[in-house]
Amino acid sequence: QSALTQPPSASGSPGQSVTISCTGTRSDVGGYNYVSWYQQHPGKAPKLMIYEVSKRPSGVPDRFSGSKSGNTASLTVSGLQAEDEADYYCSSYTGSNILGVFGGGTKLTVL
Amino acid sequence: EVQLVESGGGLVQPGGSLRLSCAASGFTFSSFEMNWVRQAPGKGLEWVSYIANRGSSIYYADSVRGRFTISRDNAKNSLYLQMNSLRAEDTAVYYCARRYCSSTACTHDYWGQGTLVTVSS
Repeated sequence: QSALTQPPSASGSPGQSVTISCTGTRSDVGGYNYVSWYQQHPGKAPKLMIYEVSKRPSGVPDRFSGSKSGNTASLTVSGLQAEDEADYYCSSYTGSNILGVFGGGTKLTVL
Repeated sequence: EVQLVESGGGLVQPGGSLRLSCAASGFTFSSFEMNWVRQAPGKGLEWVSYIANRGSSIYYADSVRGRFTISRDNAKNSLYLQMNSLRAEDTAVYYCARRYCSSTACTHDYWGQGTLVTVSS
């Protein structure tokens, strides 16, 4: 069982917006701004999409945005494109473990 | 350009050992903390181990503590993972990842392509 809870799947049509949630506790998501989101295409390495809850690394389209409310973080993909179809993982620091915790991953399907 | 290239994976029998390497380039390796992360076939990501930039602090996941040893050689820009007493459940793609910390938070901004470890008789 993953420490952070994500829905196993999400979907949307091209051009639509989709939001993926990541629920933890006050000891991880709710307690720190260390939430990151990673995109992983099949057979490829994870790619950082969002860090510090809502910041985008250089080169990541502004269609990707992050937010947090209480113990739940969210990744929103706006203007869905076919290449956005991938697995998405959230991650958070925890006060008790420098390794941090991952969510179980969400498979995003572009219909 | 930042690059992380893992090597050393392969097929090993249960109880056997393997040493993974991660060659870093394109950045000052000695300035960054590093992690190993693994992903079992069809499963999610799992943190395995952490090492501080000078190796002074090391952490392991409970699932590997006592069997795996992380180390680094800053002169060679390399990260290592010595894996002993391997079990079937250690079968996974192993990634090295660079840990980047700002003044307010940390993340993992660069990942290698991964190396597959298969533990089977």
